[in-house]
Amino acid sequence: GAVVSQHPSWVICKSGTSVKIECRSLDFQATTMFWYRQFPKQSLMLMATSNEGSKATYEQGVEKDKFLINHASLTLSTLTVTSAHPEDSSFYICSARDIGGDQPQHFGDGTRLSIL
Amino acid sequence: QKEVEQNSGPLSVPEGAIASLNCTYSDRGSQSFFWYRQYSGKSPELIMFIYSNGDKEDGRFTAQLNKASQYVSLLIRDSQPSDSATYLCAVMNSGYSTLTFGKGTMLLVSP
Repeated sequence: GAVVSQHPSWVICKSGTSVKIECRSLDFQATTMFWYRQFPKQSLMLMATSNEGSKATYEQGVEKDKFLINHASLTLSTLTVTSAHPEDSSFYICSARDIGGDQPQHFGDGTRLSIL
Repeated sequence: QKEVEQNSGPLSVPEGAIASLNCTYSDRGSQSFFWYRQYSGKSPELIMFIYSNGDKEDGRFTAQLNKASQYVSLLIRDSQPSDSATYLCAVMNSGYSTLTFGKGTMLLVSP
């Protein structure tokens, strides 16, 4: 149980392109999903908390217009990196938590984004 | 600033030994604690979670929590080379919202 699917797993694209990443909870409903990015040999950095049916809550220093988050249903959240540049290249990972305040977060497989 | 501290390692243990991974946290209001394993290039995988003081065992893994000392640990018995990975300690912040992660401890189990 508690499977989170993330797609695509790898993206290589040109600078200026917008990239959409999908995160789905396959066997549970997730009112809250989270988006992280991770640079090599560093820990996870929370970018934003995505709540179904409402606006995402972004962490300090994360540009809302750059990283668009939509959580349209209880099983799907999307992150769109708009007008991506080489400095946006990173490992992006989503997680989802089942309904219930202290449930653990389960992670998707991550998306490795490379901007040329 | 809520902080979660872990020794970065690497922690090297021989196959079959017990590996002990430690974590301290700063938020006294935290109630939920998690251990994740992350292989190089992969996303984190939940190993264990613990909410109450004391020990919680699951197979070869034991999580230990001491809220008074703000200390969480993970013991891995009969360590295997396949256990070689980075282990992330995560603490759920007060209010049941986000997790704060430590920087992780790299574990190396030699055959």
